[in-house]
Amino acid sequence: AQTVTQSQPEMSVQEAETVTLSCTYDTSESDYYLFWYKQPPSRQMILVIRQEAYKQQNATENRFSVNFQKAAKSFSLKISDSQLGDAAMYFCAYRRGNTPLVFGKGTRLSVIA
Amino acid sequence: DVKVTQSSRYLVKRTGEKVFLECVQDMDHENMFWYRQDPGLGLRLIYFSYDVKMKEKGDIPEGYSVSREKKERFSLILESASTNQTSMYLCASSSISQGEWSYEQYFGPGTRLTVT
Repeated sequence: AQTVTQSQPEMSVQEAETVTLSCTYDTSESDYYLFWYKQPPSRQMILVIRQEAYKQQNATENRFSVNFQKAAKSFSLKISDSQLGDAAMYFCAYRRGNTPLVFGKGTRLSVIA
Repeated sequence: DVKVTQSSRYLVKRTGEKVFLECVQDMDHENMFWYRQDPGLGLRLIYFSYDVKMKEKGDIPEGYSVSREKKERFSLILESASTNQTSMYLCASSSISQGEWSYEQYFGPGTRLTVT
């Protein structure tokens, strides 16, 4: 079974600085999708960024980018110019085809003003 | 915008009660999911459904059942609530189409259930 590991239960970053959240996963498949979801306090879970495994280019969405290392099965999220609104739980997730997402346990990010 | 709604944000029930958690999506999605979220454990899949009348067990189905009589509605049922079912319950939906945002799951706001 596929597993997703987030080794950092909590992290903090100064406002305007850059932070990287780690994620590794285990799969024997070659075609799959990876996601980072954000869950702000008492608010809805939303998608931050996604990566298709067949694409070598790392995905980018404004201040959010990923470092996808397929051979190492690593999928880290970099947040640049951190803002107070970035404070949230971040979940890494894996999905192959039309199957349910498999989530990591999450990383709680605090942003210090 | 996709909208996934859940019937209650907060719910308090007594041990042994039958509990219904309702989820409705408005985007004609084929897939619907129920997750349970607990601190330090992340999101764990309880049940999912690929179509009306269909259901599949997830990782932790014990103590739960589901119903999907209409495409837009997916209900989670706790037949006899217990204190260890106190948790945040998240519903999600997704399309099976392979568009630009294929396989993204859209989440509801969650129901925080307390069983006393």
